[in-house]
Amino acid sequence: EDQVTQSPEALRLQEGESSSLNCSYTVSGLRGLFWYRQDPGKGPEFLFTLYSAGEEKEKERLKATLTKKESFLHITAPKPEDSATYLCARMDSSYKLIFGSGTRLLVRP
Amino acid sequence: EPEVTQTPSHQVTQMGQEVILRCVPISNHLYFYWYRQILGQKVEFLVSFYNNEISEKSEIFDDQFSVERPDGSNFTLKIRSTKLEDSAMYFCASATGVEQYFGPGTRLTVT
Repeated sequence: EDQVTQSPEALRLQEGESSSLNCSYTVSGLRGLFWYRQDPGKGPEFLFTLYSAGEEKEKERLKATLTKKESFLHITAPKPEDSATYLCARMDSSYKLIFGSGTRLLVRP
Repeated sequence: EPEVTQTPSHQVTQMGQEVILRCVPISNHLYFYWYRQILGQKVEFLVSFYNNEISEKSEIFDDQFSVERPDGSNFTLKIRSTKLEDSAMYFCASATGVEQYFGPGTRLTVT
């Protein structure tokens, strides 16, 4: 069964305290690994797509990396506005997204 | 910046009633999707739609569900006879290629 597992479930950081979120996935016709941000009561907001091991993408304080079985979302010097749930999803061979449970990030001022 | 829109933002209905959730995808997108998220659970795939037909559907998407693209802009999800367990956030997404862009969702509450 296709699985996407995210850890930790929740993460509390002080403003400026860098950290990483993990996403592990089973390999079965991977067509891409996706990161989304979701604010409470809102739809997922697209952040990154990664396709091959070794690939990295950056946006402001966020950097996503990919290995053969894991992806990391690195958050450098986070601010309170980075507080959200970060979702990881893999795209399977039929182009549907399979989501993990997410990591709830809280950044305290 | 173009975005996916959904209406209504919140729909309350009684068990057994029909509901139609509406989505306006991004205008040049060709691939359309419905996902749902039960409170506190994962976002889960319901159905994908391309070239005026269903590409794939999940086990959740049974005979009570249907999708339609009635004109060049709208994409709808119909639930014929709602059940309590249909209560969830329903998200529409659209794509030109692999990157899917989500709407803000419709919160469906079945009482």
